[in-house]
Amino acid sequence: QVQLVESGGAVVQPGRTLRLSCAASGFTFSNYGMHWVRQAPGKGLEWVAVISFDGSDKYYADSVKGRFTISRDNSKNTLYLQMNSLRAEDTAVYYCAKGVVPATIGYCFDYWGQGTLVTVSS
Amino acid sequence: EIVLTQSPATLSLSPGERATLSCRASQSVSSSLAWYQQKPGQAPRLLIYDASNRATGIPARFSGSGSGTDFTLTISSLEPEDFAVYYCQQRSNWPPEWTFGQGTKVEIK
Repeated sequence: QVQLVESGGAVVQPGRTLRLSCAASGFTFSNYGMHWVRQAPGKGLEWVAVISFDGSDKYYADSVKGRFTISRDNSKNTLYLQMNSLRAEDTAVYYCAKGVVPATIGYCFDYWGQGTLVTVSS
Repeated sequence: EIVLTQSPATLSLSPGERATLSCRASQSVSSSLAWYQQKPGQAPRLLIYDASNRATGIPARFSGSGSGTDFTLTISSLEPEDFAVYYCQQRSNWPPEWTFGQGTKVEIK
């Protein structure tokens, strides 16, 4: 069965960096676009970034553009989110999510990880 | 940027009742709209994609309808496990940007 397991969440000070990982299993990881979606405490869902199945296309929400970088290692079935210049407003649970349609960035997500909490605070 | 507006913010119903949730887009999204269910402490779960197609394993009491700018998620008869927050979601064509509605909470009356 499809499994997505995020890791790397922590408490960090404003301006610092953090890298999140998402280990995927149960499907052909290299065939699917992958996303990061976050949820601030008590708030709704906010899409963060997407990477195409082969890593050639990447798109970001305006709120993280220039600070966050999405990447993937298809040989390790792992998705990453490098987060630089962190701000208090980046505090959230970060979910990785799988695109539905293979070989496209698609528009919706059929499997989600359990999330990892990032807290940005001095 | 396409904005999705969900209504109502909160729906107070009893088990067995029918729930009707609305999602309105600020411009046409054709039929490329999805619905998710999220329970406290859990990740969202895909319910409906392409406005009206149930995802794998989703019970038939969940149905979606609409196209263009107005969409509806209907739960025909609420089960205890259906009390949760529901989000609609779409993707704009260019630049690609994924957006969610602000959510509708279905709570026990």
